[in-house]
Amino acid sequence: DADVTQTPRNRITKTGKRIMLECSQTKGHDRMYWYRQDPGLGLRLIYYSFDVKDINKGEISDGYSVSRQAQAKFSLSLESAIPNQTALYFCATSAWDRANVLTFGAGSRLTVL
Amino acid sequence: AQKVTQAQTEISVVEKEDVTLDCVYETRDTTYYLFWYKQPPSGELVFLIRRNSFDEQNEISGRYSWNFQKSTSSFNFTITASQVVDSAVYFCALSEGAAGNKLTFGGGTRVLVKP
Repeated sequence: DADVTQTPRNRITKTGKRIMLECSQTKGHDRMYWYRQDPGLGLRLIYYSFDVKDINKGEISDGYSVSRQAQAKFSLSLESAIPNQTALYFCATSAWDRANVLTFGAGSRLTVL
Repeated sequence: AQKVTQAQTEISVVEKEDVTLDCVYETRDTTYYLFWYKQPPSGELVFLIRRNSFDEQNEISGRYSWNFQKSTSSFNFTITASQVVDSAVYFCALSEGAAGNKLTFGGGTRVLVKP
């Protein structure tokens, strides 16, 4: 099994729908992240969490929300999806003493029509 | 504000050729960390290296080497004797200040190694 598992891997939805992307990890890492990848823009940080009670906005958090249900689970929600949220989304984790040495999930491709 | 520029969007080489990927960064901090990640066609990003701003020594790991030059704000990556398995998108990234601060990625360079 993968160290970081994302579900769903692919999702097509319509404008205005609520979408949740889920992430679970078996690394035992405290820190979890959600990134968005768009062609030519690299990866941009949406939200991050350093532990269950700690949630922080990244550089592009508008239109997104997150929930850290447990140390191993970190979900990303789009309350009302819009077409420009069509992207590849990655969950990642890191240990507290190896900050930003990220272990990534396989990605969730989201298409909003 | 921190910024990472990877000017080369795509590089195509023939197997066994060397390829160098450029990375130029901007930061106002004297303490920062630089990274390289690889994204193979499967899509899952893989960590390659982390270097802090106080360690300017170049590093070699197998066919991979990194050249860190603070004078030119560059952290370039060379693949020696490239192989088809090196075909991927490579991202340079920067975090300012403490090691756990926000990571800023460059736009990535796609490397295509032809047999």
